[in-house]
Amino acid sequence: GAVVSQHPSRVICKSGTSVKIECRSLDFQATTMFWYRQFPKQSLMLMATSNEGSKATYEQGVEKDKFLINHASLTLSTLTVTSAHPEDSSFYICSARDPGGGVETQYFGPGTRLLVL
Amino acid sequence: AQSVAQPEDQVNVAEGNPLTVKCTYSVSGNPYLFWYVQYPNRGLQFLLKYITGDNLVKGSYGFEAEFNKSQTSFHLKKPSALVSDSALYFCAVRGRPFYNQGGKLIFGQGTELSVKP
Repeated sequence: GAVVSQHPSRVICKSGTSVKIECRSLDFQATTMFWYRQFPKQSLMLMATSNEGSKATYEQGVEKDKFLINHASLTLSTLTVTSAHPEDSSFYICSARDPGGGVETQYFGPGTRLLVL
Repeated sequence: AQSVAQPEDQVNVAEGNPLTVKCTYSVSGNPYLFWYVQYPNRGLQFLLKYITGDNLVKGSYGFEAEFNKSQTSFHLKKPSALVSDSALYFCAVRGRPFYNQGGKLIFGQGTELSVKP
């Protein structure tokens, strides 16, 4: 199946700093990528839909200025957590839709564990 | 509104026994249905999907799922469980038509499967 990578896999930062997480589709081009947040033992919460060449679409309750999304190319989307606080600590997962992978199948990255001290 | 329910937080099975992980959905129109598996501190891996056609869908690692329209269910099954199947399983749905959905997947809350030797 299609491969999606995330970098870094784990990051620890101080409160008030910004953290950038990269999501790459390695063997296909993805016009649409998705960013999720997952708390321990809980389901995935969709944060935003990242569209190549246009603005991201954020879900209700997700702060656009807090979670900046940039989809600069067909293989890369970035999520920047600005002025991070301890409550932003979570597991962030991206996914990408592979148009050549059958109908509407999303492939997920391995996730990024963010810990804000 | 679209929704997915996984009524069991945890399912315990002895190795070699059949397993079932339940999922019911609510969506307008005909759904796209998916099952994903998540191992600890990892992203989601695609198992199988139902789009149309045969109600019994076969997927990775010997898993299968049966689409039942009258009961709005899409239970995940495996004839003989392995210890290595122990993980967190997510059911997801995407409604149609796509143009007003943005490609979003709606996830259930997850079911933790534990297979004991």
